[in-house]
Amino acid sequence: DTGVSQDPRHKITKRGQNVTFRCDPISEHNRLYWYRQTLGQGPEFLTYFQNEAQLEKSRLLSDRFSAERPKGSFSTLEIQRTEQGDSAMYLCASSRAGTGATEAFFGQGTRLTVV
Amino acid sequence: GNSVTQMEGPVTLSEEAFLTINCTYTATGYPSLFWYVQYPGEGLQLLLKATKADDKGSNKGFEATYRKETTSFHLEKGSVQVSDSAVYFCAPGGTSYGKLTFGQGTILTVHP
Repeated sequence: DTGVSQDPRHKITKRGQNVTFRCDPISEHNRLYWYRQTLGQGPEFLTYFQNEAQLEKSRLLSDRFSAERPKGSFSTLEIQRTEQGDSAMYLCASSRAGTGATEAFFGQGTRLTVV
Repeated sequence: GNSVTQMEGPVTLSEEAFLTINCTYTATGYPSLFWYVQYPGEGLQLLLKATKADDKGSNKGFEATYRKETTSFHLEKGSVQVSDSAVYFCAPGGTSYGKLTFGQGTILTVHP
């Protein structure tokens, strides 16, 4: 068990470019979440997958954001036409299915800087 | 949806002092409650949790009790150490699939 892995750890991009982040959850976890954290704030929920199905998307997730989890394993988060306001830490978490909330394990995040 | 009000920081204490970080929440139903911690340069990790009213979660000397009547989940530690310096987040979990709603975080600094 190597924990939740995110790649890249840091990304600097120019405004208007597209970026894609990858998350590899803990292997037996079928729940996967994406959160966004800006400086001085707590993480904010973006989206949730149960296996390969995307079951909830936050209103924070504009049309420029898309997430996938093909085959219910790793997940990708793509941001198209990046804006400076997209600069943040993007966190991935995974957990086992269970009744209600079970412990979520977080990756170390991808820090995005849009210049 | 859920919301969280967490004690604002930063909190600065001397080693061996008593710590309280207040957390109150609003939620539909009776969610599980969590405290997560973020040490410098590391990812978020679970500190403790409680799944029903009057449950006490504990870990590493930290404790928090699920108070349904006051919708609170205050974090306490009797004697803090320098190594406890971190950012602490209170988070109720969703009642269905575990979506977490985080507070804004409380920065704790402990001096020798």
